[in-house]
Amino acid sequence: NAGVTQTPKFQVLKTGQSMTLQCAQDMNHEYMSWYRQDPGMGLRLIHYSVGAGITDQGEVPNGYNVSRSTTEDFPLRLLSAAPSQTSVYFCASRLRPAGYGYTFGSGTRLTVV
Amino acid sequence: DAKTTQPPSMDCAEGRAANLPCNHSTISGNEYVYWYRQIHSQGPQYIIHGLKNNETNEMASLIITEDRKSSTLILPHATLRDTAVYYCIVRVEVGIQGAQKLVFGQGTRLTINP
Repeated sequence: NAGVTQTPKFQVLKTGQSMTLQCAQDMNHEYMSWYRQDPGMGLRLIHYSVGAGITDQGEVPNGYNVSRSTTEDFPLRLLSAAPSQTSVYFCASRLRPAGYGYTFGSGTRLTVV
Repeated sequence: DAKTTQPPSMDCAEGRAANLPCNHSTISGNEYVYWYRQIHSQGPQYIIHGLKNNETNEMASLIITEDRKSSTLILPHATLRDTAVYYCIVRVEVGIQGAQKLVFGQGTRLTINP
């Protein structure tokens, strides 16, 4: 049971490049989310999913796309990287019923130059 | 809108109980109070949650006032490894199929001193 696995751990992109941040969980969790954390701030929700094929936008979705083709995977795509997307990205998952907490991955540290 | 207010920082001596307060005066009747912590730059770690009653698990205790407008997280015997940023969070309904999101505030930076 690996929990929530994020890859890569570190990434440097040039402005305008695209890439995909990977997130996988092996706990059969229905809910999955992507957050970003900027220095000195709390986490902000980018996109989330309530199950395979069902996604929706969070607080800061612009510049990001997601899809959920399987229960296990929830990749986050940066379409055209901008310096404002320099951040630490966290993926999280949990079971659907209300009484459960989220399990977070260890994060992807992205720098856009 | 984080919906919670926490002190920006606190100190506690190792071995003593750490009591972290949180105000959530606008909480709705069906909103849970969640506590997470973030050690260094790691992913947040779930600690405990509650709705109306006090809760206890192997990590901590959660005391919620009767009017639900505030709560206190208690780490009964703090260790140096408990040094972290602690987030008090009120879940907020967002929409599709009842999915909820965590709205993070700034949290409390707790430092455990030897």
